[in-house]
Amino acid sequence: GDKVKQSPSALSLQEGTNSALRCNFSIAATTVQWFLQNPRGSLINLFYLVPGTKENGRLKSAFDSKESYSTLHIRDAQLEDSGTYFCAAEGRGTGNYKYVFGAGTRLKVIA
Amino acid sequence: GPKVLQIPSHQIIDMGQMVTLNCDPVSNHLYFYWYKQILGQQMEFLVNFYNGKVMEKSKLFKDQFSVERPDGSYFTLKIQPTALEDSAVYFCASSLPAKNSDYTFGSGTRLLVI
Repeated sequence: GDKVKQSPSALSLQEGTNSALRCNFSIAATTVQWFLQNPRGSLINLFYLVPGTKENGRLKSAFDSKESYSTLHIRDAQLEDSGTYFCAAEGRGTGNYKYVFGAGTRLKVIA
Repeated sequence: GPKVLQIPSHQIIDMGQMVTLNCDPVSNHLYFYWYKQILGQQMEFLVNFYNGKVMEKSKLFKDQFSVERPDGSYFTLKIQPTALEDSAVYFCASSLPAKNSDYTFGSGTRLLVI
């Protein structure tokens, strides 16, 4: 089965609203990275997390290794936030030096 | 911040021909990776590489695939011969020589095999 499950798979947000994306892990994840793949296909590194939380502007991410999940909160969504958000986890069960990606959440922000 | 450069950004090649994808990793990084993303799908691990050796490869890393980094130059992914199902975006990444270090990804090479 999927080692990294992302939800929702797709999301449409009104500009200015808030939302949360989630990753659940069936592995003992030790680190998590969140990426945004923009419409051109480039991967933008958003967060690198050990257990805990980080915040950057309108984005905030949390990683709970005991409960095996991570979240990405988007506040005051803007049109440029549109794209596909991927989480990736590394840890026991993925193999050494290897991130396993989720299937992504396709986010569309509408005016 | 530091970047991983991938060359070329796009490549169209006839089925059966050889192709080499080039990656210029972050200068002090020693672990290198290739991931494959078929259009609209998730990122799939292909291979990781350290100290001149493949450490781990997935089932997607077929016998036609090979990687190398001769003398600190580009980290390359070679496919010989190419097949139609090799059409995808190939992302290179690199990381520091420490476990659980964050990855820096390149912008990808979009490969189309026709």
